[in-house]
Amino acid sequence: QVQLVQSGSELKKPGASVKVSCKASGYTFTSYAMSWVRQAPGQGLEWMGWINTNTGNPTYAQGFTGRFVFSLDTSVSTAYLQISSLKAEDTAVYYCARDRAAAGSNHFDYWGQGTLVTVSA
Amino acid sequence: SYVLTQPPSVSVAPGKTARITCGGNNIGINSVHWYQQKPGQAPVLVVYDDSDRPSGIPERFSGSNSGNTATLTISRVEAGDEADYYCQVWDSSSDHQAVFGGGTKLTVL
Repeated sequence: QVQLVQSGSELKKPGASVKVSCKASGYTFTSYAMSWVRQAPGQGLEWMGWINTNTGNPTYAQGFTGRFVFSLDTSVSTAYLQISSLKAEDTAVYYCARDRAAAGSNHFDYWGQGTLVTVSA
Repeated sequence: SYVLTQPPSVSVAPGKTARITCGGNNIGINSVHWYQQKPGQAPVLVVYDDSDRPSGIPERFSGSNSGNTATLTISRVEAGDEADYYCQVWDSSSDHQAVFGGGTKLTVL
């Protein structure tokens, strides 16, 4: 069965960096893109962008350029989200989600369990 | 950028039908997808491509999309359907990005 398992919660100080992992299983990793979605406390879902798991080419949504980096290690079927120069407003749950764009329909059929990143001094 | 508008809350009695709307400019020409999110859990896809259901999603969940409004309909509502629901489209205009509605809290009375 398809599973996306994310790394555990993180507590970071402002200015630090964090790297969240998302390990996929149950399907061919490079056959589907991976998107990242942010959810701030008590707020809705916000799409951060996606990464082509074949080429490694990332695409970032407006507002997620500069400090946010998507990467892959296809040898272990894992996608990564790195955020640098953390700010308090980066406090959120971050989800990875399998993207069905390759099938011609841009929706997210499987989601990771989410990783809470807390930024606090 | 493209904006999707959902009502903040919808209330329905058990056994009745809930309808959650998602408004957007000419949304009918887009494919609309719906997600259910219960407290402390990840979102779950309940309807995709306007009206298709993933395997495992009850037939009570259905969707439609026309004009400027897409609708998620939940028939014979159960207490376990209480959750936040989000619509989503792909904005293929200048932005080329996924867009989520603000979410609707479904309360089962």
